[in-house]
Amino acid sequence: QKEVEQNSGPLSVPEGAIASLNCTYSDRGSQSFFWYRQYSGKSPELIMFIYSNGDKEDGRFTAQLNKASQYVSLLIRDSQPSDSATYLCAVRRTNAGKSTFGDGTTLTVKP
Amino acid sequence: GAVVSQHPSRVICKSGTSVKIECRSLDFQATTMFWYRQFPKKSLMLMATSNEGSKATYEQGVEKDKFLINHASLTLSTLTVTSAHPEDSSFYICSARDDQGRGQPQHFGDGTRLSIL
Repeated sequence: QKEVEQNSGPLSVPEGAIASLNCTYSDRGSQSFFWYRQYSGKSPELIMFIYSNGDKEDGRFTAQLNKASQYVSLLIRDSQPSDSATYLCAVRRTNAGKSTFGDGTTLTVKP
Repeated sequence: GAVVSQHPSRVICKSGTSVKIECRSLDFQATTMFWYRQFPKKSLMLMATSNEGSKATYEQGVEKDKFLINHASLTLSTLTVTSAHPEDSSFYICSARDDQGRGQPQHFGDGTRLSIL
């Protein structure tokens, strides 16, 4: 079992819809959770991070964390074609530790 | 926002050449930086963790003598691919962890595309 699991996709949604990306992790001691976006041929870009149970909203993005169930999700509202990318989930146990990345979910938003 | 500068962005060189890649955090201090490589359509592979003022920690299977890492200051880490061969061709990406930023997130450089002929 991988430490951080993501559905590889591709996930396809129509423009304007809500895209839901999920990530599960195995280390119960994980404290910090990050979502990155990576366009093809580019390096990852941090979208947001969360470390408390519940929801965290930033513009069209909402991260949801449930430590008891060991999952973190990213919702993208009003999806745009420019949101088409691979989304990476990263999990870290402590601030001093290294992040473990999932393999990413490829999202395609169709006009 | 936080910026990590990685240079060069692209290198094409002959087999046997050593290639040095620089990673700089421009507006924050980074005691810890990370070096990754990524093959097309594949996931990030952590190569090593670079710590300012001390030796880097390499992941299993990564040759430390092949991939030399130096982290001489709180804003600069370098990766040198020694005597590069075609199989070393890849996309190398550095990442710096913001010591003071909320949540201490990692920020990525733009990557270096290395092609060994």
